[in-house]
Amino acid sequence: EAGVAQSPRYKIIEKRQSVAFWCNPISGHATLYWYQQILGQGPKLLIQFQNNGVVDDSQLPKDRFSAERLKGVDSTLKIQPAKLEDSAVYLCASSLAASQHYEQYFGPGTRLTVT
Amino acid sequence: LAKTTQPISMDSYEGQEVNITCSHNNIATNDYITWYQQFPSQGPRFIIQGYKTKVTNEVASLFIPADRKSSTLSLPRVSLSDTAVYYCLVGDRGTGFQKLVFGTGTRLLVSP
Repeated sequence: EAGVAQSPRYKIIEKRQSVAFWCNPISGHATLYWYQQILGQGPKLLIQFQNNGVVDDSQLPKDRFSAERLKGVDSTLKIQPAKLEDSAVYLCASSLAASQHYEQYFGPGTRLTVT
Repeated sequence: LAKTTQPISMDSYEGQEVNITCSHNNIATNDYITWYQQFPSQGPRFIIQGYKTKVTNEVASLFIPADRKSSTLSLPRVSLSDTAVYYCLVGDRGTGFQKLVFGTGTRLLVSP
């Protein structure tokens, strides 16, 4: 079974530039998550999709971050404009459903460096 | 939202049993306890999940006392490859959806 795919794996941009990350979840997984993981900390949930609808984006900085999941499959996370404090690993995860009984499968992440 | 507390780091040697305890005093009735493992440069990986008593799989065991205010992840006979960060999480019932809140985790270092 193929895992969660993410691209790019690494990205370096200057502050105030924009960047986009792509995620392809495991086939058949209805729920998709984007996390931000700053060095030395645990992952922080940014947004959660159920199919193509948003069920939780309470921690997404909406003035600069946006995410979409068209057709309920792939998803993109965008940052515009980027700030230095956005330097982190951005993790995508998916699960069969949204219930807490279902384990989340994480992708390898995209390491973003903002200079 | 149930908060978890776990040791920042632990050291062990190959072949030893490692027990990582997590406190979650405010766990809600329907919350499950889940543990994830994260290696450097990788996303977290599900290890085990339980509600009460004991759960065992091919990787670890999870012990949960009757009051459910704590849980212990037990890794039998660790090897160097078990060096990782281990996260204890408790499910958020707020919206009925699974919302994992990661803390800083426990950094386990296994030495030869």
